[in-house]
Amino acid sequence: AQSVTQPDIHITVSEGASLELRCNYSYGATPYLFWYVQSPGQGLQLLLKYFSGDTLVQGIKGFEAEFKRSQSSFNLRKPSVHWSDAAEYFCAVGTTAGGGNKLTFGTGTQLKVEL
Amino acid sequence: NAGVTQTPKFRVLKTGQSMTLLCAQDMNHEYMYWYRQDPGMGLRLIHYSVGEGTTAKGEVPDGYNVSRLKKQNFLLGLESAAPSQTSVYFCASTHGSRSTDTQYFGPGTRLTVL
Repeated sequence: AQSVTQPDIHITVSEGASLELRCNYSYGATPYLFWYVQSPGQGLQLLLKYFSGDTLVQGIKGFEAEFKRSQSSFNLRKPSVHWSDAAEYFCAVGTTAGGGNKLTFGTGTQLKVEL
Repeated sequence: NAGVTQTPKFRVLKTGQSMTLLCAQDMNHEYMYWYRQDPGMGLRLIHYSVGEGTTAKGEVPDGYNVSRLKKQNFLLGLESAAPSQTSVYFCASTHGSRSTDTQYFGPGTRLTVL
């Protein structure tokens, strides 16, 4: 069965600093990977996704992620964090086994931005 | 175009009471999903539907029932609520079943069972 690990529960960065959120996955086949962001009291919004091709994926709001098969990782990065980026971030792996497009989520990383 | 909407936004139940959560989407999506979100556990799939009239169990289906009588609606029912079902419930939908299809999420329903 697939699984996703986000090792960092909380991360605090200063506004303007760079950011990297870690994600490791376990999946038997070629993984389809996603990063979602959840602002307080809101639903989840897709930041970016990887399914094939270029291992560096660009997303919305200036985020990017790099797929590294050898390390089973899909880390999310942003060169310069803005205060509005404070939110919870979820990494997920998708599978169509059994029908539908089902996501398995990591436990999330809460990002705090210091002004 | 409202996307995915959920009703109600908040609800407090007593143990043993029943209720139904409604999810509606106006994107003509074929597939719909119910997740629950608990602190420190991320989102876990409860049930999903691959089309009108069809439903299937996800990772944590016990204590819940679902129905998809209309393509645009996906209902999640709790027949006899328990405190362990206190959670935030999210509905999502996708156009197709490919792993690359984006899931669109509703704003969530916060349920407390006393």
